[in-house]
Amino acid sequence: SSELTQDPAVSVALGQTVRITCQGDSLRSYYVSWYQQKPGQAPVFVIYGKNNRPSGIPDRFSGSSSGNTASLTITGALAEDEADYYCSSRDSSGSHLDVVFGGGTKLTVL
Amino acid sequence: QVQLQESGPGLVKPSETLSLTCTVSSGSISGDYWSWIRQPPGRGLEWIGYIYYSGYTNYNTSLRSRVTISIHTSKSQLSLRLSSVTAADTAVYYCARALPDGDNVWFDPWGQGTLVTVSS
Repeated sequence: SSELTQDPAVSVALGQTVRITCQGDSLRSYYVSWYQQKPGQAPVFVIYGKNNRPSGIPDRFSGSSSGNTASLTITGALAEDEADYYCSSRDSSGSHLDVVFGGGTKLTVL
Repeated sequence: QVQLQESGPGLVKPSETLSLTCTVSSGSISGDYWSWIRQPPGRGLEWIGYIYYSGYTNYNTSLRSRVTISIHTSKSQLSLRLSSVTAADTAVYYCARALPDGDNVWFDPWGQGTLVTVSS
């Protein structure tokens, strides 16, 4: 299966802007979705497609994509944004119907 | 907003079959796709497979030989069976609604997850 690569950890100062990236060949063919997971909780759907936010997700969360890299940007990070973030897309290698997740990025808000 | 709740044994012996159920409430199971996703302790997410309400399934290539996902529309439930388990199958198992969008797919909402430990 194809892979999605994420930085294991990223930090941001309170109120600043942070970008979390996701790289993989499948992103040249498919859109990414992003999930936020806080300790002991289930993942929450935060961004999908070109740059769409599900209902209830604050507009400080945004997404972008170029080539084989997708990004999740948090503009004006809050303490409550500290969490693990996972990207996901279809798998472009072998069976294109598979779904793959990135390894996750732990975001620390300082 | 549809809600999902996983249930099943928290401990399974090696070589046996893991069986879990996901109950869908506050919404209909019909007309949608439903998925199982797992997360080993301290690690990332792994998609297991999904099922359409009609019974069409698609499984992760790496797990296909051991996985069966079924749907029971009258009970608003879907189930997961994973055979010949080993310690590597120890994980929190989540069910989630799968939302196809062209060739893409998103997952929302998710159940709270249930931890399954494989140990003798």
